[in-house]
Amino acid sequence: GAGVSQSPSNKVTEKGKDVELRCDPISGHTALYWYRQSLGQGLEFLIYFQGNSAPDKSGLPSDRFSAERTGGSVSTLTIQRTQQEDSAVYLCASSTRSGGPDTQYFGPGTRLTVL
Amino acid sequence: AQSVAQPEDQVNVAEGNPLTVKCTYSVSGNPYLFWYVQYPNRGLQFLLKYITGDNLVKGSYGFEAEFNKSQTSFHLKKPSALVSDSALYFCAVRDNSGTYKYIFGTGTRLKVLA
Repeated sequence: GAGVSQSPSNKVTEKGKDVELRCDPISGHTALYWYRQSLGQGLEFLIYFQGNSAPDKSGLPSDRFSAERTGGSVSTLTIQRTQQEDSAVYLCASSTRSGGPDTQYFGPGTRLTVL
Repeated sequence: AQSVAQPEDQVNVAEGNPLTVKCTYSVSGNPYLFWYVQYPNRGLQFLLKYITGDNLVKGSYGFEAEFNKSQTSFHLKKPSALVSDSALYFCAVRDNSGTYKYIFGTGTRLKVLA
């Protein structure tokens, strides 16, 4: 079946512009995660959605970052007024449920370059 | 604070030799432990996980990992390395105290030499 998809695969933007990154999770997966992978760094947790519950936003690095998940499916990560330090690969993952240590299924990522 | 450490940035091993990729963790309570692999230009793929029970966990592609509670380690192993195992490996942990966050290590690049 279809895996997690992310778009765009690559995004180049100028400093100060806003960007939107999209994630389509696996159908039926209620949990959705966003991570950031910077060169030489591990995966940095950004935000977590589970069903209709309030998201865990504790990993968002600043108020320039926000995310939403519409209809419990597609999610959009928005970065406002991008900075060069925002350059990274943004990964989305989904899993069947929370409460248990479920396997996360990752998308291919969006490589963001801020000039 | 919860943390995961992968002390080696890179591990080189000859094809056919056994390999070990190290991971240690620090979490409250009993941990849930994972290994993921990232091949070039591809997303992370699940390899194996430890939840409870037998300390030796077997996963995909012939990999296994041993949970050692006293040493707070979860090293990834394979008896005989293949060139195709060359990739970036991530250890991750989630505690079972109700948070749904996963903490990932910084990754270890495995290079298997022919």
